[in-house]
Amino acid sequence: AQSVTQLDSHVSVSEGTPVLLRCNYSSSYSPSLFWYVQHPNKGLQLLLKYTSAATLVKGINGFEAEFKKSETSFHLTKPSAHMSDAAEYFCVVSDNNNNDMRFGAGTRLTVKP
Amino acid sequence: DTAVSQTPKYLVTQMGNDKSIKCEQNLGHDTMYWYKQDSKKFLKIMFSYNNKELIINETVPNRFSPKSPDKAHLNLHINSLELGDSAVYFCASSQGLAGPAFYEQYFGPGTRLTVT
Repeated sequence: AQSVTQLDSHVSVSEGTPVLLRCNYSSSYSPSLFWYVQHPNKGLQLLLKYTSAATLVKGINGFEAEFKKSETSFHLTKPSAHMSDAAEYFCVVSDNNNNDMRFGAGTRLTVKP
Repeated sequence: DTAVSQTPKYLVTQMGNDKSIKCEQNLGHDTMYWYKQDSKKFLKIMFSYNNKELIINETVPNRFSPKSPDKAHLNLHINSLELGDSAVYFCASSQGLAGPAFYEQYFGPGTRLTVT
């Protein structure tokens, strides 16, 4: 069975400082991993995905994530937070053999002026 | 233009009622999905629907049934609503059924269902 654990339910940063949202996964197979963002009253939007290619994945809006198999982690980072980054972020794992997508419980990012 | 839309946005109803949530996508995608997000924010897939092929998550009660009048729509019907059905329901679509590693899923804004 596959699962993800988002280690922080809430992260607060100041505008212009780095962002780190942590995610650990568990999978019996070689997984695909994703980060989605959800702004208030909006649908989930794909930020980036890892599908067994380069371990450092660059996404939209300056976000990136690094797949570390030895640590079973897929943390999301951004060098400098912007006010518009305030949202809920979901880490997702998928078994490449089926369509099952396991979402984490989400991390709410707050950006202070 | 909204790529994946859902109506209604909020739905409050009493136990035992039957209700529907509508979903429409204007992306020309072949595959649509329904997800349930529980109070702990976990999203679990309920159905995948592709070219009249329905894949059902075996844990979904048969009170839930998807209806697809055409490729652009996948509505969710729920009979005999129970308190435990309260959740946010997300519709999504993708180009194909090969899996999210191959095809990006586009999500609607969600429908918050409250059963009293």
